[in-house]
Amino acid sequence: GAGVSQSPSNKVTEKGKDVELRCDPISGHTALYWYRQSLGQGLEFLIYFQGNSAPDKSGLPSDRFSAERTGGSVSTLTIQRTQQEDSAVYLCASSFWAGAPGELFFGEGSRLTVL
Amino acid sequence: AQTVTQSQPEMSVQEAETVTLSCTYDTSESDYYLFWYKQPPSRQMILVIRQEAYKQQNATENRFSVNFQKAAKSFSLKISDSQLGDAAMYFCAYRSAWETSGSRLTFGEGTQLTVNP
Repeated sequence: GAGVSQSPSNKVTEKGKDVELRCDPISGHTALYWYRQSLGQGLEFLIYFQGNSAPDKSGLPSDRFSAERTGGSVSTLTIQRTQQEDSAVYLCASSFWAGAPGELFFGEGSRLTVL
Repeated sequence: AQTVTQSQPEMSVQEAETVTLSCTYDTSESDYYLFWYKQPPSRQMILVIRQEAYKQQNATENRFSVNFQKAAKSFSLKISDSQLGDAAMYFCAYRSAWETSGSRLTFGEGTQLTVNP
C-alpha cells in the first residue's frame, strides 16, 4: 500500500481479554516502530524492529505486551489480559533505513478501549 | 535519558497570523536531530520540519520555520500566515544521532493549536 496501514481502527474489549493489533508498513521499509499514545499525552516508545535483527523491546511496559514481525513486513502487537490502563491509541511507524535520520511514516493508529 | 518539554498545552491563532510553539529538551549529547510533527484528528502523525543539531542554519519549509538555539536547548516552531488546515496537535521530538535503536524518537506532550477564522 501507499502508506502504513493499521487494523483495527478501533477496538473495544473487556478487561482480562487478549487483543491483537496489526501493522502493515510501507513496502521496502526495514524499520518498524510501535508507540502508545494515552489520552492527552505524547507518544511513548514500545518496541522497534530493524530487518532481521533482534527487536528492541525496552519500551514494553509489562510482560503482558509482546510483538512480532513476520517476514520483515507485517507486525502484530499483542496485549494479554488487558487492563483499563492499556486504553490508548497504538501507533505504528516505519522508515526506510533506521541508521539515517529518516522520516518516520505513521499509520492512523488503533484506538483500544478496555472496559 | 533525553526529555522533551512543551510548556504550552494549547495555543490559538487568528487565520493569516503568525504563531510560535515552544519546545525545550534536555540532553548531554552533541549530535542529534529535532523534529516537529503534526497530528490532525485523523491521528496520523505528519512530519512538518526537521533540524540537524550540527547545522547552525534554522530549517524552513514554506510557512513553517524553526528557531533552534542549541546552547539554550530550545527548538520553537513558527507558523506564518496560519491556515485553518494548520489546526492540529503539534509534537516536538528528539532523536539521538547515536541512538542504537535506529530512529527512535522521544516526544513532548504536544500543543493543541486552534486556528480561528
